[in-house]
Amino acid sequence: AQTVTQSQPEMSVQEAETVTLSCTYDTSENNYYLFWYKQPPSRQMILVIRQEAYKQQNATENRFSVNFQKAAKSFSLKISDSQLGDTAMYFCAFIRATGTASKLTFGTGTRLQVTL
Amino acid sequence: DAGVTQSPTHLIKTRGQHVTLRCSPISGHKSVSWYQQVLGQGPQFIFQYYEKEERGRGNFPDRFSARQFPNYSSELNVNALLLGDSALYLCASSRQGGRSPGATNEKLFFGSGTQLSVL
Repeated sequence: AQTVTQSQPEMSVQEAETVTLSCTYDTSENNYYLFWYKQPPSRQMILVIRQEAYKQQNATENRFSVNFQKAAKSFSLKISDSQLGDTAMYFCAFIRATGTASKLTFGTGTRLQVTL
Repeated sequence: DAGVTQSPTHLIKTRGQHVTLRCSPISGHKSVSWYQQVLGQGPQFIFQYYEKEERGRGNFPDRFSARQFPNYSSELNVNALLLGDSALYLCASSRQGGRSPGATNEKLFFGSGTQLSVL
């Protein structure tokens, strides 16, 4: 079974600053995908960024980037130039490359507050 | 195009009752998945349906059941409600549902959920 751990229940960052959210996972699989999802007060889960485990290059999406360390089973999210609209719950998630496609395993989340 | 729509948005039930939650996927999406999100936790996988067939089931009791209709919409049913069933129930849709190799990474689109309160 896979587990995903987010050790930071809450984080706070000032507008325009940079913040890093941590995530570790445990799996015996070699092929898998990792995700960061954002859940604003509207409750809808929104995909922020995705990383394929077989790719060494870290994924980047505009102000969002990851630091993927496969050997350490670590997958952190860096948000640059934080904006008020980034305030939300952030969930790290894992999925196997084979098997049930939509069976994501989520962490417990990090609540991010962006302040003026 | 409309996103994933779920109904109702909020629901209050009492212990022992039955509840039906509904989900309409994005047009063209054939796979629907259901997740339960208890307050303070991440979502947990309940079911996935693709082309009206169950493709996966999470660790939930038999009180939970689901089905998918020919138009790819889906219902989640929960019988004999318990206080612990109080949660946000999220529906997600995707095009293929992992039917082809490498498709497990296809993008999931989530709805805004149904907040179920069991009193």
